[in-house]
Amino acid sequence: ILNVEQSPQSLHVQEGDSTNFTCSFPSSNFYALHWYRWETAKSPEALFVMTLNGDEKKKGRISATLNTKEGYSYLYIKGSQPEDSATYLCALNAGNNRKLIWGLGTSLAVNP
Amino acid sequence: DVKVTQSSRYLVKRTGEKVFLECVQDMDHENMFWYRQDPGLGLRLIYFSYDVKMKEKGDIPEGYSVSREKKERFSLILESASTNQTSMYLCASTEGALNTEAFFGQGTRLTVV
Repeated sequence: ILNVEQSPQSLHVQEGDSTNFTCSFPSSNFYALHWYRWETAKSPEALFVMTLNGDEKKKGRISATLNTKEGYSYLYIKGSQPEDSATYLCALNAGNNRKLIWGLGTSLAVNP
Repeated sequence: DVKVTQSSRYLVKRTGEKVFLECVQDMDHENMFWYRQDPGLGLRLIYFSYDVKMKEKGDIPEGYSVSREKKERFSLILESASTNQTSMYLCASTEGALNTEAFFGQGTRLTVV
């Protein structure tokens, strides 16, 4: 059974702090790694879909890196703002079917 | 603006009722998914469909069935609702390729009393 793990489970930071979280996954059968942001009372929204080892993607103050050989991805937020408060989910596509295998998420709270 | 729409935001049903949750997407996506989300358990896949009239069981299909008669619509059916099916239900869709992002509906919070 493939398992995706995220750490930490939750995080409280002050406005302006930079932070990062980890997503770990089995490196065999890798096809794609997704990151989503899920704000309270909204739908999850895609941040990045990454497929290449060593890939780095950026969207504003948020960036992500991918290491498929060792099975991890980091999500970085530079200069956190209160509107960054959300649960950040990662999901693995293992390539053998069209399902995504989801981590439990990291809950981020940014205090003003 | 791409959209996945779920028929209800909140729903309260009685034990034993047959419940239909509807999901419609306007992106011509091949794949559609039904998840439930419970505290501490994350997103769990109930069923998914990769084509009209095609369906596959996810991780927790017991007590549920699905219907995909048209490409844009994927229905989740609770044949006889039970209190342990009280949950947040999320519908999602993706294009046919494996590395494309998922688009989610707004969720249906179902309470079975």
